[in-house]
Amino acid sequence: GENVEQHPSTLSVQEGDSAVIKCTYSDSASNYFPWYKQELGKGPQLIIDIRSNVGEKKDQRIAVTLNKTAKHFSLHITETQPEDSAVYFCAASKGANNLFFGTGTRLTVIP
Amino acid sequence: ETGVTQSPTHLIKTRGQQVTLRCSSQSGHNTVSWYQQALGQGPQFIFQYYREEENGRGNFPPRFSGLQFPNYSSELNVNALELDDSALYLCASSLGRNTEAFFGQGTRLTVV
Repeated sequence: GENVEQHPSTLSVQEGDSAVIKCTYSDSASNYFPWYKQELGKGPQLIIDIRSNVGEKKDQRIAVTLNKTAKHFSLHITETQPEDSAVYFCAASKGANNLFFGTGTRLTVIP
Repeated sequence: ETGVTQSPTHLIKTRGQQVTLRCSSQSGHNTVSWYQQALGQGPQFIFQYYREEENGRGNFPPRFSGLQFPNYSSELNVNALELDDSALYLCASSLGRNTEAFFGQGTRLTVV
């Protein structure tokens, strides 16, 4: 089955700096890669996703890059704000069915 | 807010008991997936329902079962509860089997 690894497990950045979270996956058939943000006591919130026919996608301060050859994808958050503090999960799947999640990255943005 | 609602929000059960968790999907969504999230871990796929039929199952024993109703709401049933079943149970709905999944706030189940 699919195995998704996520790094780092914790990340602290100064407000205004950029944050980068990296994930690798094992199954070359995976073609859908979403990123979720989870705040304390809440369910995961979809923040951005990318499919394997695209190498990069951007939405305001958030961008995701995908390297199919190396089987890794990354989340980039620019101009971080305190409200970006949360746990971020990457996931991989074939289609968007049966998401395999990474172990999460706790991001802290220091004001 | 995703429009996916789960009930109850918290639940305490005794080992050996049975539990039913409920999920109302976002309007227009015909697909519901259930995930188990242990403390400090990422969610793990339990199963998916598409138009009232099971459409894929993760590595969970048969005592985890589900149901989807004609209005696409769904239930997750767990029999013979074990201590390790303590987790946040998440429901996600989507427009179809291979489209973006939107999660509810989850049900926190504690088995004592």
